[in-house]
Amino acid sequence: LAKTTQPISMDSYEGQEVNITCSHNNIATNDYITWYQQFPSQGPRFIIQGYKTKVTNEVASLFIPADRKSSTLSLPRVSLSDTAVYYCLVGDLGVGGNQFYFGTGTSLTVIP
Amino acid sequence: ETGVTQTPRHLVMGMTNKKSLKCEQHLGHNAMYWYKQSAKKPLELMFVYNFKEQTENNSVPSRFSPECPNSSHLFLHLHTLQPEDSALYLCASSGTTMRGGKTPLHFGHGTRLTVT
Repeated sequence: LAKTTQPISMDSYEGQEVNITCSHNNIATNDYITWYQQFPSQGPRFIIQGYKTKVTNEVASLFIPADRKSSTLSLPRVSLSDTAVYYCLVGDLGVGGNQFYFGTGTSLTVIP
Repeated sequence: ETGVTQTPRHLVMGMTNKKSLKCEQHLGHNAMYWYKQSAKKPLELMFVYNFKEQTENNSVPSRFSPECPNSSHLFLHLHTLQPEDSALYLCASSGTTMRGGKTPLHFGHGTRLTVT
């Protein structure tokens, strides 16, 4: 099981781009990288998923270098409503896979 | 509405009570999960069910007993709980992609459990 390491917390001003990096040095060949967002007293919500290079959707971008030992979630022009905990998960998406273990996450606070 | 419905939303129970948490998913998924989240802590995986069969039990005490009668319903039966079991209990589901891999987890809103 690939262990992930993220910063415990980050602060950002409204309107700025936020980059949250996750380290996963022992990522396996079949592992994918998935990011979730969680607001207080709610279940996490899927944001983005990738295997290599760059993935972009309507809410975020995910950058994965060639060695795949880290990944960076990029949130463009954050607003106050982006204040949440962000989790990086790494694991096999196969039927018998294990991408359901959450780490400590990064608590992002957006400041007015 | 997330597609995963958990009831009740809040539950207060004494240490000698028996209660059950219910989870239902309307997404056609074939895997369901129970997580526990204590205050200001990360999610702890408790149980995983794939096609109604339990495939993960993350060293959970026997006072928590899961039941998965079909792929759409998941229960967590609770008995003789301790105050430290007070937490947010989250249910999630995931499906299978056309390539045979798992889709991302889809969570319910959770049940806030208080053990007195």
